[in-house]
Amino acid sequence: GENVEQHPSTLSVQEGDSAVIKCTYSDSASNYFPWYKQELGKGPQLIIDIRSNVGEKKDQRIAVTLNKTAKHFSLHITETQPEDSAVYFCAASIVGASFGNEKLTFGTGTRLTIIP
Amino acid sequence: NAGVTQTPKFRVLKTGQSMTLLCAQDMNHEYMYWYRQDPGMGLRLIHYSVGEGTTAKGEVPDGYNVSRLKKQNFLLGLESAAPSQTSVYFCASTRTPTGELFFGEGSRLTVL
Repeated sequence: GENVEQHPSTLSVQEGDSAVIKCTYSDSASNYFPWYKQELGKGPQLIIDIRSNVGEKKDQRIAVTLNKTAKHFSLHITETQPEDSAVYFCAASIVGASFGNEKLTFGTGTRLTIIP
Repeated sequence: NAGVTQTPKFRVLKTGQSMTLLCAQDMNHEYMYWYRQDPGMGLRLIHYSVGEGTTAKGEVPDGYNVSRLKKQNFLLGLESAAPSQTSVYFCASTRTPTGELFFGEGSRLTVL
């Protein structure tokens, strides 16, 4: 089955600097890569996702890049703010017309701390 | 907006006891999922449902049972709790099989 590795497990960044979290996956057939953010005491929340036919996607201060050849994808957060402090999970899945989420494999999470 | 509600939020059990976690969603979603979250292991799928009256096994189904008698509710049962089932459990729902997962706030279960 799919194996997703996520690094680093913890990351501390000065407010205003950029943060990068990296994930690798094992199944070359995976075609959907979401990122979830989990704030303390809350459930994870989708912040951005990318499909395998796209190399990069941006949403304001957040961007995700995908390298299918190397089987890795990364989350980039620019101009970090205190509210970016959370645990971030990457995930990978093979999605089709009638299936997908049940095949999601999550990474082990990155605890991001923004230092004021 | 309630979204996805899990009850109870905290529970302590003794080995061998049984309990049920309830997940309720008010978004009319067809698909519902139960995950467990353990330190250093991310989220792992226990069971899921693709609609009322259906259930299916996920990655780590052993020791758990589920039921989806009503579209809005998805129950996770532990018939004979074991210390290895100490974890934080998350329920999620989505409108389509590839759609955004909407998670509840979690239920922390401790088995002594």
